[in-house]
Amino acid sequence: EIVLTQSPGTLSLSPGERATLSCRASQSVSSRYLAWYQQKPGQAPRLLIYGASSRATGIPDRFSGSGSGTDFTLTISRLEPEDFAVYYCQQYGSSPLVTFGGGTKVEIK
Amino acid sequence: EVQLVQSGAEVKKPGESLKISCKGSGYTFTSYWIGWVRQMPGKGLEWMGIIFLDDSDTRYSPSFQGQVTISADKSISTAYLHWSSLRASDTAMYYCARGDYYYMDVWGKGTTVTVSS
Repeated sequence: EIVLTQSPGTLSLSPGERATLSCRASQSVSSRYLAWYQQKPGQAPRLLIYGASSRATGIPDRFSGSGSGTDFTLTISRLEPEDFAVYYCQQYGSSPLVTFGGGTKVEIK
Repeated sequence: EVQLVQSGAEVKKPGESLKISCKGSGYTFTSYWIGWVRQMPGKGLEWMGIIFLDDSDTRYSPSFQGQVTISADKSISTAYLHWSSLRASDTAMYYCARGDYYYMDVWGKGTTVTVSS
């Protein structure tokens, strides 16, 4: 069973700073099968990144994804006030078919 | 506009059955899959299962296999999540999401399910 471990659990940063979020898989994951989501309080998740590095429609270019194998990263180059939220990585294809990481909360410092 | 509209909040007693729905519009329903995701209060996202709408094949997370049933009525572009006997631990928000290849690109707003005696 594949497990996705996100770190840190909470990231305390100020607007304008750079955020680097990690997602580590217990087994190798194809880059095609790795996605990132953003969830704000009281809202449904929103797709940010798919295929490890492709931005979804309407996602600003301050969001970028990278990585391969077992280590993936979501980077927010300069935090805007609306970026403070919880971020989840997700893999598809390994048993179980879909897995989410535990999430990283990006909070205002 | 592509959207998934989920049924309204439910309050049920332990042991009761429940079926919640997720209606797709603005796209060809059978060209995508639908996933269901649970979020317990204050917790993260948990994948429950998928229905592939071209052939109605379903796959479940081991954690939810046998606990819920996912189905769909393609004639009305609607997917369902069904419990035959609810438990208090089923209290959560349930999201449906449209799946495109390997990710979920459109999400419903969620259905809150509260199970309490």
